[in-house]
Amino acid sequence: GQNIDQPTEMTATEGAIVQINCTYQTSGFNGLFWYQQHAGEAPTFLSYNVLDGLEEKGRFSSFLSRSKGYSYLLLKELQMKDSASYLCAVRDSNYQLIWGAGTKLIIKP
Amino acid sequence: GAVVSQHPSWVICKSGTSVKIECRSLDFQATTMFWYRQFPKQSLMLMATSNEGSKATYEQGVEKDKFLINHASLTLSTLTVTSAHPEDSSFYICSARGQGDGFYEQYFGPGTRLTVT
Repeated sequence: GQNIDQPTEMTATEGAIVQINCTYQTSGFNGLFWYQQHAGEAPTFLSYNVLDGLEEKGRFSSFLSRSKGYSYLLLKELQMKDSASYLCAVRDSNYQLIWGAGTKLIIKP
Repeated sequence: GAVVSQHPSWVICKSGTSVKIECRSLDFQATTMFWYRQFPKQSLMLMATSNEGSKATYEQGVEKDKFLINHASLTLSTLTVTSAHPEDSSFYICSARGQGDGFYEQYFGPGTRLTVT
């Protein structure tokens, strides 16, 4: 079966750095996405990786290793507004998005 | 950037009635639209995928006669929850994907919170 694993919840301090990991087993791979979702709102796109390596976009970076079925989202200089759920999703061979359950990130002052 | 709207943003209805939710792509043509449901503290659950002009493809366990999906144009898809029951209360989110090479991203609407009393 298809499976996306990410931690349920993480806590970090304002100004610090946090890494949210995602491992996946899917039937085929056509890219990995990270989305941010604030409570009661729809997800918003953060990043897309299809090749191995690191993609940097401001305070957020995303890494992919296809051979290991592994990705991480790195958030730097954490701000209180970064408190949200972070969803990892993999697009499979049918171009369907397979979603992880999301990681709730709590930022403390 | 691409914008997807949903209407209404929230709705309260009585058990047994039907509710229609609209999803529109405002500045691009959405060849494919997706309907998700999300219960509190849970991840997104794909309900169905619809391609413009075709019948929707429903995920296993989703009743197609209860959740009617119409994707009649490249900018509009509707989800009708028929004979709604309290267990249908949820956050319904649509997303849209455009056409063309390299268009890899799904753009999400703001969601519709349905409460069935």
